[in-house]
Amino acid sequence: GAVVSQHPSWVICKSGTSVKIECRSLDFQATTMFWYRQFPKQSLMLMATSNEGSKATYEQGVEKDKFLINHASLTLSTLTVTSAHPEDSSFYICSASPPLVQSPLHFGNGTRLTVT
Amino acid sequence: DAKTTQPTSMDCAEGRAANLPCNHSTISGNEYVYWYRQIHSQGPQYIIHGLKNNETNEMASLIITEDRKSSTLILPHATLRDTAVYYCIVSGAGTASKLTFGTGTRLQVTL
Repeated sequence: GAVVSQHPSWVICKSGTSVKIECRSLDFQATTMFWYRQFPKQSLMLMATSNEGSKATYEQGVEKDKFLINHASLTLSTLTVTSAHPEDSSFYICSASPPLVQSPLHFGNGTRLTVT
Repeated sequence: DAKTTQPTSMDCAEGRAANLPCNHSTISGNEYVYWYRQIHSQGPQYIIHGLKNNETNEMASLIITEDRKSSTLILPHATLRDTAVYYCIVSGAGTASKLTFGTGTRLQVTL
């Protein structure tokens, strides 16, 4: 089946630094990938839609200058949390689907970000 | 995308069938019903999806009512490893169709 891989699985960084999270589709090409964020005991919230070769589309309330998304190839999207603060600590999850009309989205295993 | 309503939590004895209901009364004609589950601290796992016919795969069965306003996910023989939050999501098909997650049903499988 379709596999989506995220790296790193967890990261701890200091306040004010930037962190990059990678999302790869391992056995298919993905023109569109999605980035979600999940706080403890809450559901997944869509942050942005990453489009290969063009700008990402951000959901309302998500700061595009803080959460930089780059989708430079058909198998890789990156999310960079810039100038991270403790309130950015969360579980970040990406997803993608194979290029077949009825293919479901598959999710990575998530990245646990802790900002100290 | 249409909104879904699920019970907050359910219990099921190991070895028994787990039947998880979902209401999606505002579903439109071209929207699919997707089921995912999330085990603690992992990404959501795809289970099954359907449009209007009942579907079955190696993980579960999906029963969709004729009017498509509700559906039931059936895990035929629940095990402890099926303990998770189960999400029912209605969305269009296609690679650009994003999924909007509700609060899901927390299924606890017990001995």
